[in-house]
Amino acid sequence: AQKVTQTQTSISVVEKTTVTMDCVYETRDSSYFLFWYKQTASGEIVFLIRQDSYKKENATVGHYSLNFQKPKSSIGLIITATQIEDSAVYFCAMREYASSGSWQLIFGSGTQLTVMP
Amino acid sequence: AQTIHQWPVAEIKAVGSPLSLGCTIKGKSSPNLYWYWQATGGTLQQLFYSITVGQVESVVQLNLSASRPKDDQFILSTEKLLLSHSGFYLCAWSLGGVFFGKGTRLTVV
Repeated sequence: AQKVTQTQTSISVVEKTTVTMDCVYETRDSSYFLFWYKQTASGEIVFLIRQDSYKKENATVGHYSLNFQKPKSSIGLIITATQIEDSAVYFCAMREYASSGSWQLIFGSGTQLTVMP
Repeated sequence: AQTIHQWPVAEIKAVGSPLSLGCTIKGKSSPNLYWYWQATGGTLQQLFYSITVGQVESVVQLNLSASRPKDDQFILSTEKLLLSHSGFYLCAWSLGGVFFGKGTRLTVV
C-alpha cells in the first residue's frame, strides 16, 4: 500500500518570509499524482496544487510551488511571501488506485503552519 | 461552476441513535463522490466512494454505510452510533483533483 509521511508537526514563521513543508511518499506505481491541501480553522479543506509524476517541471500556483524530487520520493510545498491567513494545517496526499477502477487519496498526518506578524 | 453542499453543518447525537448525513453536488453530471472522515486532530481517511447511482464501494466501514440514491446525492448513515464515530465528515467529488464540501462535525455523547 502507498504511504505518505509528513514529519513536521508544526512550523512557525514570520509573515512575508518563505516556508517549506516536507512530504515523502512510497509507491510502486510508475505514474502517480501528488496533491497539497490546506485545512482552515473552520475545517474547510482547500485544494492548493498538484504534481503529476511524469512532469519534470515543478508545479506553481500563485504563491504556492512544489519542490518535486522524484529520486527521493519527496514533494515539498513552498509558500513564498507568507501571510497571516496562510496559517492552517497543510496536508500532502497521493492518489492510489482501487481494484474496482476508482481511486482514493492517501493523506499524510498534516503540518500546522502558524504565520506570525 | 460546481458546488457541493453538505448537511447538517453539525450534529450532537447520543450513542446508539441513528445518523444520516447528506451531500449534494451541482454543476457536474455523474460525478465520482467520496466520503472522508477525520478524527479530531487527525488526518483524513476515505470511507466510501461511488462512481454512479446505486453503486457504492467501501474502503473502511467503521460500522457505517453509504448510498447514492440520485446522481447528485450521496448519503452516509448508520442505525447505531458509537462514541468512535465522533469527528468531521467530508463529502468530496473528483475531477483531476479531489474537492471537498465544508463538512459535518459530529459529536457522539
